[in-house]
Amino acid sequence: DTEVTQTPKHLVMGMTNKKSLKCEQHMGHRAMYWYKQKAKKPPELMFVYSYEKLSINESVPSRFSPECPNSSLLNLHLHALQPEDSALYLCASSQGGAYTEAFFGQGTRLTVV
Amino acid sequence: GQNIDQPTEMTATEGAIVQINCTYQTSGFNGLFWYQQHAGEAPTFLSYNVLDGLEEKGRFSSFLSRSKGYSYLLLKELQMKDSASYLCACLDSNYQLIWGAGTKLIIKP
Repeated sequence: DTEVTQTPKHLVMGMTNKKSLKCEQHMGHRAMYWYKQKAKKPPELMFVYSYEKLSINESVPSRFSPECPNSSLLNLHLHALQPEDSALYLCASSQGGAYTEAFFGQGTRLTVV
Repeated sequence: GQNIDQPTEMTATEGAIVQINCTYQTSGFNGLFWYQQHAGEAPTFLSYNVLDGLEEKGRFSSFLSRSKGYSYLLLKELQMKDSASYLCACLDSNYQLIWGAGTKLIIKP
């Protein structure tokens, strides 16, 4: 199983809503990532969890809140988002260490209205 | 600062060969990745280079020169399905992936 599964695939939410994005992998990877990608731009790193601990937070606004309940799951809780937060949100995982090929999920296409 | 440069867009003909270049300046270096990304989809892994030289994998090859801070992705026998963005990314000294802006490759019949 070399899959990273993200749900939902599409999400439309209002600026006052609270929603969560979910990510799951069963490859035994110990590093998991959230990226944000706008159209025609490369992925921007948001958060990195290493061994279930938040190790990198790239100064992301507090309206995005990550959670890593266990080594296979990663959530991104969304609250009071802005229209400019509309983007493709990608989850990735890797073994970590010297060779860290990242496997990406298919992403959640988020639209904030 | 950290910087990865690659051409914004390239056009090639079906059946031909194309080389996509990437130059990088990063704080430390722990390898370089090439990813393919079709519009609206997630990036998929193509190759990883950490030592100098050429790595061949079917129709795709990737080359690295650490002394020059340079890599290229070579695509042979181009197919229409190869139309995509190709992203170069480096692992820095903290094992963070630093991404280039991507090269949009357009294949014409």
